[in-house]
Amino acid sequence: NAGVTQTPKFQVLKTGQSMTLQCAQDMNHNSMYWYRQDPGMGLRLIYYSASEGTTDKGEVPNGYNVSRLNKREFSLRLESAAPSQTSVYFCASKEGVRNEQFFGPGTRLTVL
Amino acid sequence: GESVGLHLPTLSVQEGDNSIINCAYSNSASDYFIWYKQESGKGPQFIIDIRSNMDKRQGQRVTVLLNKTVKHLSLQIAATQPGDSAVYFCAEITDSWGKLQFGAGTQVVVTP
Repeated sequence: NAGVTQTPKFQVLKTGQSMTLQCAQDMNHNSMYWYRQDPGMGLRLIYYSASEGTTDKGEVPNGYNVSRLNKREFSLRLESAAPSQTSVYFCASKEGVRNEQFFGPGTRLTVL
Repeated sequence: GESVGLHLPTLSVQEGDNSIINCAYSNSASDYFIWYKQESGKGPQFIIDIRSNMDKRQGQRVTVLLNKTVKHLSLQIAATQPGDSAVYFCAEITDSWGKLQFGAGTQVVVTP
């Protein structure tokens, strides 16, 4: 099993550009999450999806949209990137009522 | 709002010694508290969780203690090894969807 995979690993954008971060999991998990991690800080939840077809806002959703394409894939879109969105983005997934979230390796995004 | 935070940003430990990482929380309504380990350039990795109605839980070389009276959580690592060098986060589960609220993290540095 590959676990949680994310693409791309690195990305540099100019202010105003758009992009989609991809996430996929092969563990048949229902719940998926997107977090951002700023330097020296903990992770903050952007959006989550409790099951296929549902999404909901987390702590810091402004400037982002998500799509739960199917059970495996959960994408994060920046429509008009801003320097404040420079961060490392992590996707995670979880099985049912278990507490353990499995994290991907992250996407390091820089917005100039 | 209520949040989870850590006392010490950096902890230096000699190889073979025991490590104690502390965390203060303020949300009394959380059902679970979790410790994650994040190695450089990687996503967080689940270590252990503890339910709010427990005082202590042990895993392999790790023990989590929960003191609800003073809203304090700690992670003890026995016989610290070089591979334990990482940033450790405490987090709490804030609702039934499994959403995590992370603290800022403690850097553990293991010296020979």
